Amino acid sequence: GAVVSQHPSWVICKSGTSVKIECRSLDFQATTMFWYRQFPKQSLMLMATSNEGSKATYEQGVEKDKFLINHASLTLSTLTVTSAHPEDSSFYICSASLDDNQPQHFGDGTRLSIL
Amino acid sequence: GQSLEQPSEVTAVEGAIVQINCTYQTSGFYGLSWYQQHDGGAPTFLSYNALDGLEETGRFSSFLSRSDSYGYLLLQELQMKDSASYFCAVIPGWGKLQFGAGTQVVVTP
Repeated sequence: GAVVSQHPSWVICKSGTSVKIECRSLDFQATTMFWYRQFPKQSLMLMATSNEGSKATYEQGVEKDKFLINHASLTLSTLTVTSAHPEDSSFYICSASLDDNQPQHFGDGTRLSIL
Repeated sequence: GQSLEQPSEVTAVEGAIVQINCTYQTSGFYGLSWYQQHDGGAPTFLSYNALDGLEETGRFSSFLSRSDSYGYLLLQELQMKDSASYFCAVIPGWGKLQFGAGTQVVVTP
């Protein structure tokens, strides 16, 4: 149980493009999902908490207008990187858990490269 | 402040035992998780300790002492495929995960 699917795996696009990443919980309902960003050789940094049916909660320093999060159902959260620039190139990973204080399970991640 | 400390790198030979320590200082604590991440891949859940003591899952075991704010991951019978980064992560509350910087485990023949 607790399978999280993320799509797409790779995105390469031009600067100024907006990119949408999907995160799905396949075998459970997740009222809360999380979005992380990871730069090479670094740890995972939490960007935001995605709450089903309400606004996302962003971590300090993360631009909410740049990284749009929509959690429209109990099994799907999307992260849209708007007007992406080369500095947004990173590994984006989502996660979800069965319960707020239970271990999180991660999607396979999306490697975003902005040219 | 909040922090998790773990060694940056550990090198060991195949068949050996490796222990990765993690000390933490967080505003809340519900449990300590361990994740494995291979280069280019996403983190994979290994284990979770909410209570003091040892949890064993095959070749991997994890230990927690809440009074010492300390835990460790034990990798036994090391295999080449165990070469990866290992992260400890605390659940301080509200479902969030706070990660350590990661330990690069290098397994040599």
